[in-house]
Amino acid sequence: QSALTQPRSVSGSPGQSVTISCIGTRSDVGGYNYVSWYQQHPGKAPKLIIYDVNLRPSGVPDRFSGSKSGSTASLTISRLQADDEVDYYCSSYAGNYTSVFGTGTRVTVL
Amino acid sequence: QVHLVESGGGVVQPGRSLRLSCAASGFSFSSYAMHWVRQGPGEGLEWVAMTWFDGTNAFYADSVKGRFTMSRDNSNNILYLQMNSLRAEDTAVYYCAKDRGGWAGQLDNWGQGTLVAVSS
Repeated sequence: QSALTQPRSVSGSPGQSVTISCIGTRSDVGGYNYVSWYQQHPGKAPKLIIYDVNLRPSGVPDRFSGSKSGSTASLTISRLQADDEVDYYCSSYAGNYTSVFGTGTRVTVL
Repeated sequence: QVHLVESGGGVVQPGRSLRLSCAASGFSFSSYAMHWVRQGPGEGLEWVAMTWFDGTNAFYADSVKGRFTMSRDNSNNILYLQMNSLRAEDTAVYYCAKDRGGWAGQLDNWGQGTLVAVSS
């Protein structure tokens, strides 16, 4: 149950795109299409923004998109906005009814 | 509208016990798997445990296995986390969260969290 690896921070200018990677193993990200992404504002509970690798819950803007290749999942935020400047976490099913989160990424809007 | 409210957090000495509760409303509680997730001060999210919709099975992170027990009361829509032999590293905000479907840990609704501080 080792945490998935995310970059500590990524940055971009308003209107640009940023991509956050989430590196796992064949036992989690690479073995299942149950990758989800969460957005967390300071002092608040996380919010689901992507599930099943690339699906968005109702109400989540299409600027957020997910993908997966092998054991690496990715979240892309397009048309970056100032209020995107918060923390993002990936998560994956890891077998035997367990889950694992990523280490978290802070997005900075320059 | 889904509503999850945790309670039971507080300051506790190492080695002691604490029971967290999560009151659920706004959805068919007995139809969904539920999870506990924690976040240490200034740290990332850590999955703690999950229980099946009917409470017949629960599964745990290695870091809490043998010390924490997750259960649910589907008659009263309440989720529990019994935490024994608490350690300093268990200090965190504990969130209960609803699985969006099935058991794969994709959590579509979260409570506001309750703080557990383990300190002598």
